[in-house]
Amino acid sequence: DTGVSQNPRHKITKRGQNVTFRCDPISEHNRLYWYRQTLGQGPEFLTYFQNEAQLEKSRLLSDRFSAERPKGSFSTLEIQRTEQGDSAMYLCASSETGGLSEAFFGQGTRLTVV
Amino acid sequence: GESVGLHLPTLSVQEGDNSIINCAYSNSASDYFIWYKQESGKGPQFIIDIRSNMDKRQGQRVTVLLNKTVKHLSLQIAATQPGDSAVYFCAESTGGFKTIFGAGTRLFVKA
Repeated sequence: DTGVSQNPRHKITKRGQNVTFRCDPISEHNRLYWYRQTLGQGPEFLTYFQNEAQLEKSRLLSDRFSAERPKGSFSTLEIQRTEQGDSAMYLCASSETGGLSEAFFGQGTRLTVV
Repeated sequence: GESVGLHLPTLSVQEGDNSIINCAYSNSASDYFIWYKQESGKGPQFIIDIRSNMDKRQGQRVTVLLNKTVKHLSLQIAATQPGDSAVYFCAESTGGFKTIFGAGTRLFVKA
């Protein structure tokens, strides 16, 4: 499978715990995006990388959230001290050039905070 | 532009009929618009896009119409098929990576 891969697919955690998600983009794609999607809503932009550089962060990405793309390939999104409001689908997308129209989304990681 | 509301608008059509899904956007500075299809358990999938200097663009069985005067976007699907059943999102952008999605419309196709 050469698509965008996200792991894990599902994560259930207790409030206050830290979680980390991984995204493996399509190889050769130098642009990587993280979005969050809650039930019944459209995806909300979180952050964007071009290679290893994080070029944009949404104000939605509070100080409990951090994203990295250390070698310009895979990316991780960490949420510290999770809250129930963090429960959502976390989507990753990647593109070679251009904007989101040329991006491919992964299947997402569904986080449930109990 | 910003997603609002907890309940998705729903459109139910008969197989073979044409579907029209509407979207209102909020930012008059948006210069690029995209329609996505999202099936259950999957990420959004690009369908078609249009730039603000156009008012119509056609793809395979799909047409996007843009009315900048009233900030309205529509997606027309010809000869709707059961495989078209999904949630459809419009999205707007002002130049690249920061794309704002609308709330979505759920399309049901009746066989």
